[in-house]
Amino acid sequence: QVQLVQSGAEVKKPGASVKVSCKASGYTFTNYYIHWVRQAPGQGLEWMGIMRPEGGNAAYPQKFQGRVTMTRDTSTSTVYMDLSSLTFEDTAVYYCAREMKESYHFDYWGQGTLVTVSS
Amino acid sequence: IVLTQSPGTLSLSPGERATLSCRASQSVSSSYLVWYLQKPGQAPRLLIYGTSNRATGIPDRFSGSGSGTDFTLTISRLEPEDFAVYYCQQYAYPQGYTFGQGTKLEIK
Repeated sequence: QVQLVQSGAEVKKPGASVKVSCKASGYTFTNYYIHWVRQAPGQGLEWMGIMRPEGGNAAYPQKFQGRVTMTRDTSTSTVYMDLSSLTFEDTAVYYCAREMKESYHFDYWGQGTLVTVSS
Repeated sequence: IVLTQSPGTLSLSPGERATLSCRASQSVSSSYLVWYLQKPGQAPRLLIYGTSNRATGIPDRFSGSGSGTDFTLTISRLEPEDFAVYYCQQYAYPQGYTFGQGTKLEIK
C-alpha cells in the first residue's frame, strides 16, 4: 500500500534550519511528484513547493524562495525539505503529499511533522 | 488566486444536506479545483478532484460542481463521520497551489 512516512517532531531555535524527510513506499517513486504543505496551529493549509523525483528538480512559491530547499534520494525513495532562517511563525505541522504527474491534486499525505520554533 | 470559502462554520445535524462554497478571485480551470477534508490531528484527505470527480473510496453522497470562480461541495445526507474541516484548493501557473481558509462542518 502507498505510504509516506515522515521524520519525527523537531524543536528549533529562531535562526536555525530544519530538515524534514518523507519516505515513500508502495509505488514507483519517480512516477509521482511530492509536495510540501504546512499548517500553523489552528490555521489553514499553505503550499511550500514541489519536488519532481525523476529529474530532481524543485519549484517553490515566491514566499519561500531562498529559504526552502527540496531534495530527493532515489536510492531510498525519500524527499527532504530544508527550511532555513526559522522564525516563530514557522511553527507548524509540515506535510508531504503525493501528486500523480500533472494531476494537480494530492492523493496521499504523510502523517505530518510538527516543527516548533522556540527560544 | 485567492480562494474564499463560506460559511466559515456550518452547523447541521446528521441526515441533513450540506452545501459548502468556494469562491475564487479569478477564474479557475475546472480541472484544477480540488476538495479535501481534514479531521482533528489527521492529515487532509482527498475528496474531490477536477471539480466533480470523487476520489477512490469516497461515497457518492459527496458531489462537487461549479465553474469559473464559483465552486460547491455538496454532501447529500450527512453521516457522523462527515463532521470535519473542508478545504478547497486550486492550481494556477506560475503561482502554484493555494487553499481556501476552510469551512468547519460541526454537529448541531
